[in-house]
Amino acid sequence: KQEVTQIPAALSVPEGENLVLNCSFTDSAIYNLQWFRQDPGKGLTSLLLIQSSQREQTSGRLNASLDKSSGRSTLYIAASQPGDSATYLCAVPAAGNKLTFGGGTRVLVKP
Amino acid sequence: DAGITQSPRYKITETGRQVTLMCHQTWSHSYMFWYRQDLGHGLRLIYYSAAADITDKGEVPDGYVVSRSKTENFPLTLESATRSQTSVYFCASSESTAGDEGFFGQGTRLTVV
Repeated sequence: KQEVTQIPAALSVPEGENLVLNCSFTDSAIYNLQWFRQDPGKGLTSLLLIQSSQREQTSGRLNASLDKSSGRSTLYIAASQPGDSATYLCAVPAAGNKLTFGGGTRVLVKP
Repeated sequence: DAGITQSPRYKITETGRQVTLMCHQTWSHSYMFWYRQDLGHGLRLIYYSAAADITDKGEVPDGYVVSRSKTENFPLTLESATRSQTSVYFCASSESTAGDEGFFGQGTRLTVV
């Protein structure tokens, strides 16, 4: 059974600092890995989807890396802003596109 | 509006009552899912559907019933609500290609008193 872990559970940084969020998974036979953002009381917004054949995927200030062999993905957010404060979730799909989620990392960017 | 919508956004119900949460998507995605989100447990899959009239259990299906008579709708029914079903419920959809991106609704916050 796939297990997904995100450490740390919470992170607080001053504005401008780069954010590094970690995600690990136990079964390396994945199609892809998806990163989501969740604001308090809101739904999940897809940030990046990195295919199993890719090593990196970038969107603006966001960069996600994937190392299947070690079962790890890292989401980097450059030059953090207070608007980046949210919970970030990673998820991997199983057969039928059912997602297994990590517990999330709650990020606070202080002005 | 295009996308995936859930209703109601908030619901308070009493223990033992039946309640149905609605989910509607406009993309004609084949797959639809119901997840619940709880502190300490994260997001867990309740039920999913690969197509109209095809549904299957997820990780935590007990106490829930789903149906999918039309591709665009995937209602979730709590047959006899319990306090342990107080949670935030998210509906999601995706295309049928393996590993296709999942899209989520805004969630329904359900409180069972």
